[in-house]
Amino acid sequence: GEDVEQSLFLSVREGDSSVINCTYTDSSSTYLYWYKQEPGAGLQLLTYIFSNMDMKQDQRLTVLLNKKDKHLSLRIADTQTGDSAIYFCAESAGNTPLVFGKGTRLSVIA
Amino acid sequence: DTAVSQTPKYLVTQMGNDKSIKCEQNLGHDTMYWYKQDSKKFLKIMFSYNNKELIINETVPNRFSPKSPDKAHLNLHINSLELGDSAVYFCASSQRAGESEAFFGQGTRLTVV
Repeated sequence: GEDVEQSLFLSVREGDSSVINCTYTDSSSTYLYWYKQEPGAGLQLLTYIFSNMDMKQDQRLTVLLNKKDKHLSLRIADTQTGDSAIYFCAESAGNTPLVFGKGTRLSVIA
Repeated sequence: DTAVSQTPKYLVTQMGNDKSIKCEQNLGHDTMYWYKQDSKKFLKIMFSYNNKELIINETVPNRFSPKSPDKAHLNLHINSLELGDSAVYFCASSQRAGESEAFFGQGTRLTVV
């Protein structure tokens, strides 16, 4: 079945860039997503990218997709303490529900 | 004007009880989902409904029964609750099954004691 892998923890200093990586196995993935979960809160869609794109930028967020290696990354520029959260990578093959990674806990050190 | 709302937000109950979690979306979406997030934050799909019809039913105990009275609502009923059912349950909806981003509710934290 489909699998989405991401490292569990990332710690960065305030003001630095954060890069959260994700790999997936389903070659028919059509949409790839990044969700943010703050403590005690629900999931918030941050951004998504179609599989025919290789980059998407939205303010401080940059998503890079390497479809050949099935590798997705989320770069957060000028990371702030408010960015501390769990970031979930997810993929969908079109008419299937999202398959989530286990989440990367981002800690921002002031 | 909450897009996906689920109630209650917190639910504490004893083993063996039967409980329900309600979910409503006002986005006009065709597809709704229930996800379970365990204590390690792992998120797994449980059920998916498209226009009131069940389309995904992962390996979930029969004690869990989703009910969709109309396409704006997907409720989750759990019979004979067990300690291992303690988790956060998220409802979500999308325009179509998997074709566009899913909007999530705030989650229901279920604690079985």
